[in-house]
Amino acid sequence: DADVTQTPRNRITKTGKRIMLECSQTKGHDRMYWYRQDPGLGLQLIYYSFDVKDINKGEISDGYSVSRQAQAKFSLSLESAIPNQTALYFCATSDPRDRGLEETQYFGPGTRLLVL
Amino acid sequence: GQNIDQPTEMTATEGAIVQINCTYQTSGFNGLFWYQQHAGEAPTFLSYNVLDGLEEKGRFSSFLSRSKGYSYLLLKELQMKDSASYLCAVTTGSGNTPLVFGKGTRLSVIA
Repeated sequence: DADVTQTPRNRITKTGKRIMLECSQTKGHDRMYWYRQDPGLGLQLIYYSFDVKDINKGEISDGYSVSRQAQAKFSLSLESAIPNQTALYFCATSDPRDRGLEETQYFGPGTRLLVL
Repeated sequence: GQNIDQPTEMTATEGAIVQINCTYQTSGFNGLFWYQQHAGEAPTFLSYNVLDGLEEKGRFSSFLSRSKGYSYLLLKELQMKDSASYLCAVTTGSGNTPLVFGKGTRLSVIA
């Protein structure tokens, strides 16, 4: 079984709709991240969380919100989706106790979102 | 500010050697990662350099020069399956700041 899972894997929605993307991990990592990826723009950090009580904005948090329900779960919400949020979304985890590789991030398979 | 530069695209021939460069200018530096990402898939970890020098791992090697703010990924004996994007990422803080990613280099391996 995959260590980092994302649901759904593909989603089509309409402008103005609220949607939630979910991420679960079985790696036991405290740190979790949400990224979006657009062609030619690389990975852009949306939000990150270093433990259950910690939420931090990344470089492109406007229009998004997150919830860290448990160590293993980190959800990303689009309150009112717009077409320029069409992208590939990745969740990732890391473990600061991973000696020598503290910042290594392990990615989920991605969610492909299309906003019409 | 944080700035990481990589070439956007590269093309190389099957069986050849290719070097993908990465230069960085960041407010702090702990180490540098290389990730591989096939189209539509998740990035996967390739290497992590903290100290200056070359680290070899099979067909892939990664080099770091901290004084020059420079790294490269060397791929030998290229195979068609090496066609992918290669992402350079830097750790900038004391362990409490996320990775900073470059935009990636898309490598096409041709016959």
